[in-house]
Amino acid sequence: DGGITQSPKYLFRKEGQNVTLSCEQNLNHDAMYWYRQDPGQGLRLIYYSQIVNDFQKGDIAEGYSVSREKKESFPLTVTSAQKNPTAFYLCASSLAAGTDTQYFGPGTRLTVL
Amino acid sequence: KQEVTQIPAALSVPEGENLVLNCSFTDSAIYNLQWFRQDPGKGLTSLLLIQSSQREQTSGRLNASLDKSSGRSTLYIAASQPGDSATYLCAVTDSNYQLIWGAGTKLIIKP
Repeated sequence: DGGITQSPKYLFRKEGQNVTLSCEQNLNHDAMYWYRQDPGQGLRLIYYSQIVNDFQKGDIAEGYSVSREKKESFPLTVTSAQKNPTAFYLCASSLAAGTDTQYFGPGTRLTVL
Repeated sequence: KQEVTQIPAALSVPEGENLVLNCSFTDSAIYNLQWFRQDPGKGLTSLLLIQSSQREQTSGRLNASLDKSSGRSTLYIAASQPGDSATYLCAVTDSNYQLIWGAGTKLIIKP
């Protein structure tokens, strides 16, 4: 089945730790995105990538890092510099960046202990 | 700066009723507007995409309209069912090709 997978579903982090969230797609999409969702707020863009080996900061990139070494994979690292990382993280992809419909993974809920 | 607002934040209606969800945006310079559905703790599913040149789109019991000049979109759900209970989000693609999101309307359909 074609789609987007995210792992883990739940993640717990201690203060000062870096953690990496996985996002994989087999839709052959060029563009991939990471969003953060907090209660009562719209999704906010963290990073996006239009093509392999290229990515751009979104509105709230501070404290996060990404890589795009393969077309299928776009992992997100939440570093210790992110002061309030507890949130629901959503990965998405689209055929191309711009106006194409984005398809979403099931999300990862990150909690800082 | 583009802002997207969805009112109300929550809505509860009896099964079988027709209902309308609202979305407004501040800048009419958009490429398209999309409606998504999100079930609790899950990812988003795209429901309808309306291009800026279109007035409406339909899919089954769902109909979305777009009035770009007034900065408004509505999602009409006919003959609501308990399975329609979810959070509905709208998003516009702005002039920088970025999706700008509303906070969503949480819909509860009572059996």
